[in-house]
Amino acid sequence: AAGVIQSPRHLIKEKRETATLKCYPIPRHDTVYWYQQGPGQDPQFLISFYEKMQSDKGSIPDRFSAQQFSDYHSELNMSSLELGDSALYFCASSDGGTGASEQYFGPGTRLTVT
Amino acid sequence: ELKVEQNPLFLSMQEGKNYTIYCNYSTTSDRLYWYRQDPGKSLESLFVLLSNGAVKQEGRLMASLDTKARLSTLHITAAVHDLSATYFCAVGSNKLTFGGGTRVLVKP
Repeated sequence: AAGVIQSPRHLIKEKRETATLKCYPIPRHDTVYWYQQGPGQDPQFLISFYEKMQSDKGSIPDRFSAQQFSDYHSELNMSSLELGDSALYFCASSDGGTGASEQYFGPGTRLTVT
Repeated sequence: ELKVEQNPLFLSMQEGKNYTIYCNYSTTSDRLYWYRQDPGKSLESLFVLLSNGAVKQEGRLMASLDTKARLSTLHITAAVHDLSATYFCAVGSNKLTFGGGTRVLVKP
């Protein structure tokens, strides 16, 4: 079965640079979630989208923005990167329309800021 | 604000013995999840618990939910080395709030 696809899988950036992470949800899933997991920490919810509209917002810095496109893929844009942004970034998708909103996680993007 | 707490945070297990991980949460929620994560890897869904008294079992793992006590348990029966990983519980119907994780190490 098709899973959530994230790209790139690894990304190395320098401080103050920008980064764009992409997420392709499971086919026919209309809801996308972004989570950040720092080293040795639990995942923290950043933001979610349902049918291309932002549906919920968590602890996402103002330097970050995200959107969901007409094909339901999503991009997380990160600017003015800081060392503390180094983390695993997970995207998850679900079928929000049926109410069975189990989230399926992608493999993650490991971002390293030097 | 929803808070989710797991204990213990670290569990050193002996093969063949039984152990339990606890997950407490602070406000009512209609679903609770258990995930497994290997180092540097993604989150693998183990169980979704939807109602009070729900019990699910898969192999050596069994999860239960008591919504009145706001408590879920993950029971490991006859631990084996392959179960070494970090286990997270998570609560929520849309955005998930995770517990701090329980790092499990199974020793021979």
